Amino acid sequence: DIQMTQSPSSLSAFVGDRVTITCRASQSISSYVNWYQQKSGKGPKLLIYAASSLQRGVPSRFRGSGSGTDFTLTISSLQPEDFATYYCQQSFRTPFTFGQGTKVEIK
Amino acid sequence: QVQLVQSGADVKKPGSSVKVSCKASGGTFSDFGISWVRQAPGQGLEWMGAIIPLSGTIQYAQQFQGRLTIIADESTTTAYMELSSLRPEDTAIYFCARDERAGTTGVRFDPWGQGTLVTVSS
Repeated sequence: DIQMTQSPSSLSAFVGDRVTITCRASQSISSYVNWYQQKSGKGPKLLIYAASSLQRGVPSRFRGSGSGTDFTLTISSLQPEDFATYYCQQSFRTPFTFGQGTKVEIK
Repeated sequence: QVQLVQSGADVKKPGSSVKVSCKASGGTFSDFGISWVRQAPGQGLEWMGAIIPLSGTIQYAQQFQGRLTIIADESTTTAYMELSSLRPEDTAIYFCARDERAGTTGVRFDPWGQGTLVTVSS
């Protein structure tokens, strides 16, 4: 199985801060990475697909980048509604696997 | 706009089976697939398997082979996930999600159902 390793596992930030979350795959997966936001045990919400494509309706402050094994999710200016847990997910090969999550908390 | 509504929470005994439903509305059911993902308490997300009615494809993650059955009823636009031989470590929230596949962009899950808590306890 392809392992997805996210870092950090948690972070604290102020509203307005720029936040970066990274995800490393255990093998090259081209650009087959998605990013999700999850709040309080609800169903996750797709933010970014294919490493850098913004899902319709998602604010432009969310940006994804990377290819191969290293990927990044950047929130350019953190808003109060962005405090949540974020997951990367590879869709290169089944079983589709997720990172362990990054919890973004208010500082 | 596709919406997925899942069945309610359930409590099961070890060794029994659970069947969770996922009803789709707002889209053409046969045009997309459904994946199932679970989340143990306080843990991350684990993909379990998928069904793609258009191609007749059913996929299961290796760790669930033999215990997991995923079906889709196009007449009621409802997908089902049945997990058998339940053990306490199967206690989790089970999510369904629309599974959208394209060669150039891979597989993405959106939207998701609200989740169904399954508790396995004696």
